[in-house]
Amino acid sequence: DTAVSQTPKYLVTQMGNDKSIKCEQNLGHDTMYWYKQDSKKFLKIMFSYNNKELIINETVPNRFSPKSPDKAHLNLHINSLELGDSAVYFCASSPDSGIWETEQFFGPGTRLTVL
Amino acid sequence: GEDVEQSLFLSVREGDSSVINCTYTDSSSTYLYWYKQEPGAGLQLLTYIFSNMDMKQDQRLTVLLNKKDKHLSLRIADTQTGDSAIYFCAEQPNFNKFYFGSGTKLNVKP
Repeated sequence: DTAVSQTPKYLVTQMGNDKSIKCEQNLGHDTMYWYKQDSKKFLKIMFSYNNKELIINETVPNRFSPKSPDKAHLNLHINSLELGDSAVYFCASSPDSGIWETEQFFGPGTRLTVL
Repeated sequence: GEDVEQSLFLSVREGDSSVINCTYTDSSSTYLYWYKQEPGAGLQLLTYIFSNMDMKQDQRLTVLLNKKDKHLSLRIADTQTGDSAIYFCAEQPNFNKFYFGSGTKLNVKP
């Protein structure tokens, strides 16, 4: 009965590789997000999708490409990984209830380590 | 509106009150949020406040908002060891956009 799930939980890879992180939510939410949390715990929004359409792209390098095959899934593909990409990546979702106040439900995070 | 600032650490004794402060930058933010992150987990919503309010109370939690100074605080009464976590404030300048602070690590000593 997991609400927002991410795979894998840990990802260790070499610089220059291409990797993907998957996210799924079973809450019926319309909006999904990707956040990056760096080593200092600073949490920064990367992307936001609403009903499979990109609505926010926060000046993320184009090596990062989100893909939403349906509104329950938002995957993150990263090309040519760099050392600075090492972080914990969180997926989140929220309902599109038409009102501003909204609770985001976060996944458990994917710890990416680039060597 | 991206520089939401929080102090990094706070240490209190069990039973004391904790006050976590946050300064946000976007005066158009309609809602402001407090999230809690326990070790190895994602964030969970604790509470939120609408920008035309100056206080909201929810059991042991009290949120104070000073809109003029763009200052938000979270007070936890009777802090327990289970409250040890990282607390994030977040502002919402647009409908689906949220800016989070750097988080305040609360350590509760028995």
